[in-house]
Amino acid sequence: DAGITQSPRHKVTETGTPVTLRCHQTENHRYMYWYRQDPGHGLRLIHYSYGVKDTDKGEVSDGYSVSRSKTEDFLLTLESATSSQTSVYFCAISVGGSGFSEQYFGPGTRLTVT
Amino acid sequence: QKEVEQDPGPLSVPEGAIVSLNCTYSNSAFQYFMWYRQYSRKGPELLMYTYSSGNKEDGRFTAQVDKSSKYISLFIRDSQPSDSATYLCAMTLVNYQLIWGAGTKLIIKP
Repeated sequence: DAGITQSPRHKVTETGTPVTLRCHQTENHRYMYWYRQDPGHGLRLIHYSYGVKDTDKGEVSDGYSVSRSKTEDFLLTLESATSSQTSVYFCAISVGGSGFSEQYFGPGTRLTVT
Repeated sequence: QKEVEQDPGPLSVPEGAIVSLNCTYSNSAFQYFMWYRQYSRKGPELLMYTYSSGNKEDGRFTAQVDKSSKYISLFIRDSQPSDSATYLCAMTLVNYQLIWGAGTKLIIKP
């Protein structure tokens, strides 16, 4: 257990509304990631952070933004939710100092956009 | 063609059998290889982590990397019903993002 929590764990929202998901870690790791997981696609990287206020885009960043104002918190915002963003969202941290090494995951947030 | 290919299964085997799970990849520059286990409605859990070629053993689990064939395997000995899960492979270059397989669903029948 890498001390990662995600909130909320489940959310149903309507198309067009903004949604923010929170990832919290207790161990001050530098690198944090947001992924989405969909059947047949595996895990796809949305955004990642390599420090406070330092973030970068992943493979599927369109429609998503992130913020990291404290080491322990990494927020993912869906600016205007669409049905295609219905998914399971996972936060992860990297314990290796080089960033993209082995990653440890939170429990996930199941988001449904109606 | 995806960079990492993994048969989605399901793979169903009797309890006690040896299980072989595999991934193939196209980028010969990958150096770090990982296997994750994911139970239903849970986050992925790191099982094994190997660098470059060769074998690595941890209890009932053995990870094998064949860089010449661009092929990695995870073997599970004396499989248990608690091993029923989806197994994800992932790989990366140094300081680069992880590239994931889509996962193989494994079912161990008591």
